Amino acid sequence: QQPVQSPQAVILREGEDAVINCSSSKALYSVHWYRQKHGEAPVFLMILLKGGEQKGHDKISASFNEKKQQSSLYLTASQLSYSGTYFCGTGEDTGNQFYFGTGTSLTVIP
Amino acid sequence: KAGVTQTPRYLIKTRGQQVTLSCSPISGHRSVSWYQQTPGQGLQFLFEYFSETQRNKGNFPGRFSGRQFSNSRSEMNVSTLELGDSALYLCASSFGTSGIQYFGAGTRLSVL
Repeated sequence: QQPVQSPQAVILREGEDAVINCSSSKALYSVHWYRQKHGEAPVFLMILLKGGEQKGHDKISASFNEKKQQSSLYLTASQLSYSGTYFCGTGEDTGNQFYFGTGTSLTVIP
Repeated sequence: KAGVTQTPRYLIKTRGQQVTLSCSPISGHRSVSWYQQTPGQGLQFLFEYFSETQRNKGNFPGRFSGRQFSNSRSEMNVSTLELGDSALYLCASSFGTSGIQYFGAGTRLSVL
């Protein structure tokens, strides 16, 4: 079941914060986050496993609420280099299923 | 460690032809997934292979098929190409199905 991301698109000024949400109707074991820059392949950012943990590095962090089957990606003090399309990927609890979300286009302007 | 290698990088075909795309995963990875990406669209899942077996399949017509060899290399075939098949085809390898996906640079297919 493909997870749904919101918002679909967001435009930020440098230094502003953003939150991208990912929601699934299925029980999840893991949530991944990837970023794809224009003309490039998606690149892994982080993975969160069942247990409600929060992860982060630098100014990008994420949380995973397994009870709600939701994850959020937090980008603080955004930089121009953060621009791209962000995808969540979800591993379902019931078996070997992995789906990417609908994507969120994020544009950071000076 | 070498990354995921997809060949060719670019392809131009005409309607009705068939095409085969190749993906060499990272050494040790047994899972290979294929995705279709068109402008404005997300990553549409085609299928996943694990240890030479198709484990999952997306909602694509039977013209799209794939296989995986004993060395984990995978091929994807599209028969009777249609204009709508023009897209970037991405392959990703991982250690297991829900493992971190490492993407290749993709094959950009244009159908004329």
